[in-house]
Amino acid sequence: SQTIHQWPATLVQPVGSPLSLECTVEGTSNPNLYWYRQAAGRGLQLLFYSVGIGQISSEVPQNLSASRPQDRQFILSSKKLLLSDSGFYLCAWSAGPMSPLHFGNGTRLTVT
Amino acid sequence: GENVEQHPSTLSVQEGDSAVIKCTYSDSASNYFPWYKQELGKRPQLIIDIRSNVGEKKDQRIAVTLNKTAKHFSLHITETQPEDSAVYFCAASSNAGGTSYGKLTFGQGTILTVHP
Repeated sequence: SQTIHQWPATLVQPVGSPLSLECTVEGTSNPNLYWYRQAAGRGLQLLFYSVGIGQISSEVPQNLSASRPQDRQFILSSKKLLLSDSGFYLCAWSAGPMSPLHFGNGTRLTVT
Repeated sequence: GENVEQHPSTLSVQEGDSAVIKCTYSDSASNYFPWYKQELGKRPQLIIDIRSNVGEKKDQRIAVTLNKTAKHFSLHITETQPEDSAVYFCAASSNAGGTSYGKLTFGQGTILTVHP
């Protein structure tokens, strides 16, 4: 069966510090991968998605970036965090169009 | 792009009552409509989904209906229980032209509270 791992679970970082969140999927190949952000427990905002290695599409202009160095690895990064980057970050995968999203357990990021 | 509106934003019911959450979408090419349940501090989890070639789907106490003409779909929960209390999200996606890669656009969520 397929599993998705996301870490760390919680993170507290000062403003201006870098960020790296990692997500890996097991049990499937060539998944579509997604990064979502959820603020204040409501609303899932799509940040990035990828349909293959090295292919990244950005949905919202911001100081975040994403990379997919391997088929089942998706990384969310920032060079300098802002206070507004605080939130609950969720990685997800799907098998393709008309397939459900499967979410990781999320990372709760607090920028201080 | 796709826009999904969800209402109500909060819903309070007594145990045993039914709950209905409604969503509308803007992209007539949307063809996949999942519903997710998110408990406090946890990840969203799929509870039911429907594709555009089907008008209704049931799974025990949960049902989803789809009206493609009106571009709206609804979640129905019967015989609600306190453990149904959570935030519920609807979503829609389209693969029209193969450009969207099945991206899901989510509604803003409904906080459902079931009182014992």
